[in-house]
Parts: sequence; structure tokens; C-alpha cells
Amino acid sequence: DTAVSQTPKYLVTQMGNDKSIKCEQNLGHDTMYWYKQDSKKFLKIMFSYNNKELIINETVPNRFSPKSPDKAHLNLHINSLELGDSAVYFCASSQQGARSSPLHFGNGTRLTVT
Amino acid sequence: DAKTTQPNSMESNEEEPVHLPCNHSTISGTDYIHWYRQLPSQGPEYVIHGLTSNVNNRMASLAIAEDRKSSTLILHRATLRDAAVYYCILKNTGNQFYFGTGTSLTVIP
Repeated sequence: DTAVSQTPKYLVTQMGNDKSIKCEQNLGHDTMYWYKQDSKKFLKIMFSYNNKELIINETVPNRFSPKSPDKAHLNLHINSLELGDSAVYFCASSQQGARSSPLHFGNGTRLTVT
Repeated sequence: DAKTTQPNSMESNEEEPVHLPCNHSTISGTDYIHWYRQLPSQGPEYVIHGLTSNVNNRMASLAIAEDRKSSTLILHRATLRDAAVYYCILKNTGNQFYFGTGTSLTVIP
């Protein structure tokens, strides 16, 4: 069973479109994250949700809006896509409160904006 | 936020031990040291973590300096499948994980 699953795996779209990426975890974790990995392979945290509440919101354009319908899901909606949004987006989860709890990552969504 | 510094790249011969260093001089007393690795075209995967004592698991060993300002990930026998980018990060009380640039490990057959 996949612990953290993201869909779609690949997403190719044109500038100006709106798209969503879905993420689900079946580990019972209470915290979920979105990371962006650019072409230089740097992993940058974007958002973190704990029990459906936003706890980290790094400097990300407000075109990016995370939504957490329940603590097992954290979706990422992107409006008015731009060329610079092309990257691999990773969803992850962990258990807050247990400082040793590791991150579990999904396999990523490769977004290409043309 | 506490930061880590790692060499950009390292090489190792297959079946030899590899020592991947990490400096985290601003670590606080409650930060855990985590190591992850990212294989090509995959998401990062957890390798090992520790607080103060050295740790061993089936994948690797983690040696933590007495002052906790540095740590070393040890792969006892490198295989070709260990070629990856290795990230050393600190997990703080806010449950935040900030990744650095990592070390790209090349394993030479």
C-alpha cells in the first residue's frame, strides 16, 4: 500500500490555466506538507498543515492555494500558471509532537507549464 | 531556523564505506538530526535520525559529535543503488523540515 500518494504524476499545461494536484496519506499522520523542487534540485517547503490548519506558509504567490478537507488529504490548487511554476511538487506527511517522526514523501508531480 | 551545510558532491568506490559529513553549528538542544536521500526521479526517503547518541539501522549508521554541531552518515558498504542526493536536516519543535542543498553521492563500480 502506498503511504503517500499524489496525482497526477505528470501535468503538462499552458500558461494562464488553473490546475490542481491531489495528495493523500494513509499513515494516520496529522501533519502534511507541500514542497517544490526546482531544476537545481533544491527542495523548498511551501506549506504545512496540521489537523487541517495551516501552520507554515512560506513566501509563495497567492496563486497557490492549499486545501485540506481532512487530515489525510492536502491538495494544491494553482491559478494562472506561469512558466516559473514548472517544477516537481512533492507532498509529504509526518506526525507532529513526536520530534523523531520522519517525513514520508510521495513520488512527486512533475508540472510543466508551456 | 537552524541550517545545515554539506559538501556538494562525493565519490565512493563500490563496496567501500562512505562517510557523509554534515555541519549544523546552530543546532538547538531539542532539534533532531534527520537524514534523507533522494534517488533519481523519486521522492526523498527517510534514512536515519538521532538526537545525541549514535544510531544504527539496516540502511546506515549515524555518528553524532559530542557537541552535536556535526554529524556523519555512514554507509558501511556502498552499492550502485546508493547513488543519490543525501540531505541532512534538522527537525525542530515546530515540526518544520528545511532541506539544504544536499550531497550528491556517486558510486564508482
